[in-house]
Amino acid sequence: KAGVTQTPRYLIKTRGQQVTLSCSPISGHRSVSWYQQTPGQGLQFLFEYFSETQRNKGNFPGRFSGRQFSNSRSEMNVSTLELGDSALYLCASSPQRQDYGYTFGSGTRLTVV
Amino acid sequence: GENVEQHPSTLSVQEGDSAVIKCTYSDSASNYFPWYKQELGKRPQLIIDIRSNVGEKKDQRIAVTLNKTAKHFSLHITETQPEDSAVYFCAASIGGSQGNLIFGKGTKLSVKP
Repeated sequence: KAGVTQTPRYLIKTRGQQVTLSCSPISGHRSVSWYQQTPGQGLQFLFEYFSETQRNKGNFPGRFSGRQFSNSRSEMNVSTLELGDSALYLCASSPQRQDYGYTFGSGTRLTVV
Repeated sequence: GENVEQHPSTLSVQEGDSAVIKCTYSDSASNYFPWYKQELGKRPQLIIDIRSNVGEKKDQRIAVTLNKTAKHFSLHITETQPEDSAVYFCAASIGGSQGNLIFGKGTKLSVKP
């Protein structure tokens, strides 16, 4: 059974650009969540999608957005990149709820220069 | 809002010693408490979890204890080994939600040979 797959693994972007990250959940998982991980800040929740609808949202500016497709794959987009957006972006999937079968992907390391 | 506090932020032990990481949570309706281990450069992985109908759960060298009255739970690792070195995250579910998890900021455990 394939795990949660995130692409790309590494990305370097310039300030002001935008970026799109992709997450393919475990087959059969309908919930996909996104986190930003920076040293000392732990896992900061961005948003959760379930059945193509945003179900929950964290406290991030509107530059951070996401979507989910009918096959449960999800993308997140960050527009007008800032240096402070440099981080590891993790996604996690579960069948329906975060308190059952919650599995993380390996993340996308974004560096903004 | 709901939060999870995790202590200590860093922990260094000698190989063979025990390690204890503690978390407190604010939402009295929380009923699911997982622990994740994140090795350097890898994804967080679930190592053990506990639900509020039990007070303790063990899996070989690791154990988790839960005190719902005091709203805290702890991870215990006995006979530590160098491969236990990693960042450990605790989490608690938010009551009344779709099982959404709030994570602590993590504990960096170093096991010295």
